[in-house]
Amino acid sequence: TQLLEQSPQFLSIQEGENLTVYCNSSSVFSSLQWYRQEPGEGPVLLVTVVTGGEVKKLKRLTFQFGDARKDSSLHITAAQPGDTGLYLCAGVDFNKFYFGSGTKLNVKP
Amino acid sequence: SAVISQKPSRDICQRGTSLTIQCQVDSQVTMMFWYRQQPGQSLTLIATANQGSEATYESGFVIDKFPISRPNLTFSTLTVSNMSPEDSSIYLCSGRQGNYGYTFGSGTRLTVV
Repeated sequence: TQLLEQSPQFLSIQEGENLTVYCNSSSVFSSLQWYRQEPGEGPVLLVTVVTGGEVKKLKRLTFQFGDARKDSSLHITAAQPGDTGLYLCAGVDFNKFYFGSGTKLNVKP
Repeated sequence: SAVISQKPSRDICQRGTSLTIQCQVDSQVTMMFWYRQQPGQSLTLIATANQGSEATYESGFVIDKFPISRPNLTFSTLTVSNMSPEDSSIYLCSGRQGNYGYTFGSGTRLTVV
């Protein structure tokens, strides 16, 4: 079973649309990270959120950490084909981190 | 952030043989991790490798099957031993710098025939 569940699992949208990806867990994490991975490459770190309720923005991407530090969301505004990829959340607990189940995003031109 | 060079990038191996995957980091990292990933799916942690001590394996993974070396702070290897088709997967290494700096290698796509 996955410690971190992401939803939706798959998402196919048109360029210009907005979307939100959710990452939920019953466990509390000291921090949570979001990664994007393209085929044939390793995951690339997008952001780390540490404080409950924290919101971080990275251009068109907005990340939020839940107040209880158990969940997070990633919102993309005006998606572009270059946003296509596998999005992974990862909960950090002491010296380990646990990856979410992943969300495959496809943005069609 | 650190840059990790992982090799080989892909390999096709006969069942019963072993393959050693190498990860070289361009700067020192405190901890290194090894993961397995099916294409398009999430990552599963195999083990955590610290310099000078034995690797710590996650449930379902054992040292005899996945021996790991970590001779210094910039290098680690993972061996997939006595391979079977079920071992076909993508294997990734990751290094940690500081509290939140995690970098990944580009992965090794292994096919066992």
